[in-house]
Amino acid sequence: QKEVEQNSGPLSVPEGAIASLNCTYSDRGSQSFFWYRQYSGKSPELIMFIYSNGDKEDGRFTAQLNKASQYVSLLIRDSQPSDSATYLCAVAVRAAGNKLTFGGGTRVLVKP
Amino acid sequence: EAGVTQSPTHLIKTRGQQATLRCSPISGHTSVYWYQQALGLGLQFLLWYDEGEERNRGNFPPRFSGRQFPNYSSELNVNALELEDSALYLCASSLVAAFYNSPLHFGNGTRLTVT
Repeated sequence: QKEVEQNSGPLSVPEGAIASLNCTYSDRGSQSFFWYRQYSGKSPELIMFIYSNGDKEDGRFTAQLNKASQYVSLLIRDSQPSDSATYLCAVAVRAAGNKLTFGGGTRVLVKP
Repeated sequence: EAGVTQSPTHLIKTRGQQATLRCSPISGHTSVYWYQQALGLGLQFLLWYDEGEERNRGNFPPRFSGRQFPNYSSELNVNALELEDSALYLCASSLVAAFYNSPLHFGNGTRLTVT
């Protein structure tokens, strides 16, 4: 089992719709959870992070964390063509020596 | 505020040679991370430096090594290059360790090509 798993996609979303991305992790000791966006050929850029159970909203983005079920999700509201990118989930585990582990990413395509 | 800077942008080496990649973190950041992203693959953790010390390393052979200087900049060295080392090498910095909810900020990467 991979430490951090994401559906590779592509996730095709009509413009203006909600894109829902999921990420599951294996280590119950995971403490901090990050979402990054990576455009093709570019470096990852931080969208948001979450560390408490529940929802956290930032503009059109909402991160949801459920530690009991070991998953974290990202919702993108009012999706725009510029949101077309690969979204990376990253998990920090203190017991693992702070090795921030990334999932393989979900490719999102927003169609006008 | 300047972001994380990496040099060179591109590096072409032949098999068996050594490569040196450099990274300057965001001012005030003490933690530096190195990741490898091979084509079509995810980010693989290489090394983590904090306050000049190597704190953790990923599942890479010893020919991948590095160091962090007193000004917190960092260097990644790859010895005895192999074709499969061709990848984008990303450096990231954070204010404190990531498990304290301190996000990583990435540089633009160094594209290493081994021929």
